[in-house]
Amino acid sequence: GAGVSQSPSNKVTEKGKDVELRCDPISGHTALYWYRQSLGQGLEFLIYFQGNSAPDKSGLPSDRFSAERTGGSVSTLTIQRTQQEDSAVYLCASSLEFSGNTIYFGEGSWLTVV
Amino acid sequence: GESVGLHLPTLSVQEGDNSIINCAYSNSASDYFIWYKQESGKGPQFIIDIRSNMDKRQGQRVTVLLNKTVKHLSLQIAATQPGDSAVYFCADRAGSNYKLTFGKGTLLTVNP
Repeated sequence: GAGVSQSPSNKVTEKGKDVELRCDPISGHTALYWYRQSLGQGLEFLIYFQGNSAPDKSGLPSDRFSAERTGGSVSTLTIQRTQQEDSAVYLCASSLEFSGNTIYFGEGSWLTVV
Repeated sequence: GESVGLHLPTLSVQEGDNSIINCAYSNSASDYFIWYKQESGKGPQFIIDIRSNMDKRQGQRVTVLLNKTVKHLSLQIAATQPGDSAVYFCADRAGSNYKLTFGKGTLLTVNP
């Protein structure tokens, strides 16, 4: 597709369950980001992938969060043993490469933990 | 510390007026700045960006001004329309640091 695609768009899960969120970046974009946006807040950096380099995981809030990027394209963000405070919009973004290129966001995956 | 903040959390304007949304940043090493628009229930949409070697850049109905002396960024929207109603975020990035740092956003409401 023409833009960053994320799925699911909405997810309601029970506390303690695991969830997987998927991101399909813009074709040809080597840089991929995950951000989290809580209600009424700005965007919080989670993780960054660039080509074959080791990802920057410095923004992941706990070891319950992990992400991978297979084949340099699609990425999956996994949250294990979800907690209510994990409820947020998880936004994926991509760019051609990090240096000076515009970062384009997807529509987000809205996660609600009940 | 490194932060990007906004002077006004909300802005209400009349349709047809010009809007100005302000942003302050603290990282003197920041050299790339970007504005996003986020409508309710949607992801951030790129509006316009500017590099630190410029002080002004214009797009369609939008202008971004950068004042590096006082570390201030503004977004001007000409002839504001109801469709401009959204939350506007500024963000910055410094050199080889690929992370964008976002402010909390300004809610723009356009009254018909």
